[in-house]
Amino acid sequence: AQSVTQLGSHVSVSEGALVLLRCNYSSSVPPYLFWYVQYPNQGLQLLLKYTSAATLVKGINGFEAEFKKSETSFHLTKPSAHMSDAAEYFCAVSRSDDKIIFGKGTRLHILP
Amino acid sequence: GAGVSQTPSNKVTEKGKYVELRCDPISGHTALYWYRQSLGQGPEFLIYFQGTGAADDSGLPNDRFFAVRPEGSVSTLKIQRTERGDSAVYLCASSLFSKGDTQYFGPGTRLTVL
Repeated sequence: AQSVTQLGSHVSVSEGALVLLRCNYSSSVPPYLFWYVQYPNQGLQLLLKYTSAATLVKGINGFEAEFKKSETSFHLTKPSAHMSDAAEYFCAVSRSDDKIIFGKGTRLHILP
Repeated sequence: GAGVSQTPSNKVTEKGKYVELRCDPISGHTALYWYRQSLGQGPEFLIYFQGTGAADDSGLPNDRFFAVRPEGSVSTLKIQRTERGDSAVYLCASSLFSKGDTQYFGPGTRLTVL
């Protein structure tokens, strides 16, 4: 069975500081991995996805994530946080059978 | 429209009532998914359609939940004899085909069962 674990339900960073949101996955087969962002009262928006090509994946809004098979991790980073990055972030995993399994989410707070 | 749309955006109903939630996918997308997001949780998979047929309904919690997609476009999620525990945001997503294609999500329908 597949699963994802997001470490930290809430993360606070200062504006301009590094953003690091942690995600570990469990999958018996090579996974597809995703990061989604959800702004208040809006739908989920795909930030980036890994599908077994390059291990460093660049997404929208300056975010990127690195697939590390040895650590079963897919952490999300952004070099410099902006106030507009405040939102809830979901890590997710799927296989070729299309069902996406989401983590519980991490709410990112940006401090001025 | 350019994106996935869902109606209504909010639905308040009483315990025991029947509700229907509608999803309009992106035009041309053959795959459609329903998820449920409870407060403080990530979305949970309910059902996946490929065209008109339900390819995977393993996430439907019980037989009170049913979904259709009769013409391979619009889908309706139907909940019978609603319970307070059904209160959640119901999300719909669509993708061009399947097998790892990007899923595009709608804004969701917030269902409240009193």
